[in-house]
Parts: sequence; C-alpha cells; structure tokens
Amino acid sequence: QITLKESGPTLVKPTQTLTLTCTFSGFSLTTSGVAVGWIRQPPGKALDWLALIYWNGNQRYTSTLNNRLTLTKDPSKNQVVLTMTNMDPEDTATYYCAHLGTYYDSLSGYPYFDFWGQGVLVTVSS
Amino acid sequence: DIQLTQSPSFLSASVGDRVTITCRASQGISRFLAWYQQKPGKSPNLLIYAASTLHSGVPSRFSGSGSGTEFTLTISSLQPEDFATYYCQQVNNLFTFGPGTKVDIK
Repeated sequence: QITLKESGPTLVKPTQTLTLTCTFSGFSLTTSGVAVGWIRQPPGKALDWLALIYWNGNQRYTSTLNNRLTLTKDPSKNQVVLTMTNMDPEDTATYYCAHLGTYYDSLSGYPYFDFWGQGVLVTVSS
Repeated sequence: DIQLTQSPSFLSASVGDRVTITCRASQGISRFLAWYQQKPGKSPNLLIYAASTLHSGVPSRFSGSGSGTEFTLTISSLQPEDFATYYCQQVNNLFTFGPGTKVDIK
C-alpha cells in the first residue's frame, strides 16, 4: 500500500526559505519510472502543480515560480525534499506530495497522480 | 504553457441528476488528461486518466471522454457522496490543473 506524508513548518516569515519533506512508503524511488510530485492549493483556490522528481534524478519545475524551487531525494530514507526560497504571503497554501503513476497503451504513457499525502498548511506571515 | 478552462465553475444539482463538466485545453493534448475529485479539507482523489480510463475503485457512474482540446467528465446519476469540487489536469506537457468545478446540492 502506497502512503505519503508531508512534514515541515506551518508558519514561515516573508523572505525565508521553506523546506518540506515528503516521506513515503509502498514504493521505491530507485525503481525505474517512479516519480514524486508536489502540488499546492491556496485556501479556497485551485490546485497548482509545482515540481516533480524522477527515480533517475531528473526534475521538472513549474515555470511560474522563477527558479525558487529545488527538489532533492533520499531513496534510502524514502524521502523527497522540496525547498522554496523567498517565501511571500501569496505562497500561503496547503502543500501536497503525490506519487506519479503511469498508464501505458500501445501508443503512449499517460501519467497521473494516484496517491496523495494529507497535505500540510503553510502560512507565510510576519 | 498549456492552459485549461472548466465549465461551469459552479453547478447545483440534485441526487440522481446526470452531470457533465467540460474541460478545454488551450492547445491539443491528445488524451493526456486526468480528472480528480476533492472534498473540503481532503486531498484530491484520482477519478480518470488518459481521458477516459476509470481509476481502480472509482464507481462506474463516473466516465470521461474527449481528445484534443475538449473533454468531459460525466456523472450518470449523482449520489450524495459526489458533492465535491472536480479538477481536470493536463499531463501532455508537464502538468496543469484546471480552475475546478464545484458541484453543490440543489
């Protein structure tokens, strides 16, 4: 059974750096094709994809956050760490990590987020 | 970047109603689209991937269709547990979520 859980500070000050950890079980980030993503959701607003890291270390980031994001992984601890610099009150949101699954047919692979953590609400305020 | 729009933004319906939500992409994405359901205070749940494939454990009253730039999520007979917000997500070029459709009780 796949589970994920986010951990980190619930309150950060503007300009500070946020570090969130996703600890997972039920899969390994050393297995080919496996990936873990981060998604956030400001209060009352829509989901917003942030970043993804693959088993081989490849990373993908949203273009909207101007290089503020960094992902690292520690497969031995079953963890993925998201770092976001220069936090602003507009970054107040629930931050989720999620497992990326992929469905393959004869033509393509179709990814999706099939398992999600419970989320952690991060408030940015002085 | 690929943008998604959803219509309607808000939908009021009764138990037993047939409900259809539309998701439109700013450019063609073949069948690289997923749908999620989210209830207040909860994490999203995957419903459909590859535009029309039902995720394991999802009731068969949910169905998805479409390809290219226009997609639909249909709930054939709305149940009390289906009142929630629904999001589409394109997975053709990185990932983008739509703005959501809230389904409320009439």
